[in-house]
Amino acid sequence: NAGVMQNPRHLVRRRGQEARLRCSPVKGHSHVYWYRQLPEEGLKFMVYLQKENIIDESGMPKERFSAEFPKEGPSILRIQQVVRGDSAAYFCASSIDRGTEAFFGQGTRLTVV
Amino acid sequence: GQQLNQSPQSMFIQEGEDVSMNCTSSSIFNTWLWYKQDPGEGPVLLIALYKAGELTSNGRLTAQFGTTRKDSFLNISASIPSDVGIYFCAGSSTGTNAGKSTFGDGTTLTVKP
Repeated sequence: NAGVMQNPRHLVRRRGQEARLRCSPVKGHSHVYWYRQLPEEGLKFMVYLQKENIIDESGMPKERFSAEFPKEGPSILRIQQVVRGDSAAYFCASSIDRGTEAFFGQGTRLTVV
Repeated sequence: GQQLNQSPQSMFIQEGEDVSMNCTSSSIFNTWLWYKQDPGEGPVLLIALYKAGELTSNGRLTAQFGTTRKDSFLNISASIPSDVGIYFCAGSSTGTNAGKSTFGDGTTLTVKP
C-alpha cells in the first residue's frame, strides 16, 4: 500500500514564478489537508479539501495561494508569483474520513531564490 | 488563534534514560496527537488521545490527555538512539476532525549512545 505521495520532493523557483505542488493521497482517502512548515517551527494548517470541494481554507493566505482536489488526479497546491518568504516545507496529509487520523506525506521543500 | 506551548524546546539525554515532554494550550482541544518527525521526512503519528484523562501507551511511549483538555504529555522510557528526532504535539478542536490540527513548535531529542 502506498502512503501519501508528494512531488516534487524539492522545488526551486525564482521570485515571481509559479510553484505547483502535487499530493496523491492514500488510496481510498478522500480528505486532504495541506500544511506549511518553516524551519524550526511546527506545521501550520493551510487548507482542508474533500474531493472537488474546499472545506476549510482558514489558514491559506488570501492572495497568490490556491488549492484544488479534482475528481480525478492529485491535489494541487499552487503558489503564484512566489516570494522568498514562501520558502518552506509543504506537507500534505490524507484521511479516509473526517474524524480519523490523517497520514502525512514526505513533503515538498520549496526554495525561492 | 489557538497556540500550543511545547516544552522543552530540546533535550540531550543518555541512552537508557527516560524522557518527558509536554504541551499546554490556552484553548480546549477534543483530540491530542503526538507525532515524530525525522529530518527530511513528514510527521509520523505516534499516539492519538480522544478523551480527557485518557492514558495511552505505544511500546515505550506513553501519553496522557490532561483532565482540563488544555494539556498533554508524552513519556519515552529507556531511550534508544533511534528515538532521535523532533516530537510534535498537535491539538484538534473542530469536532472530531483530527486532520485539521494546531501544532506545537516541537521538542528536538538527541540521544547519546
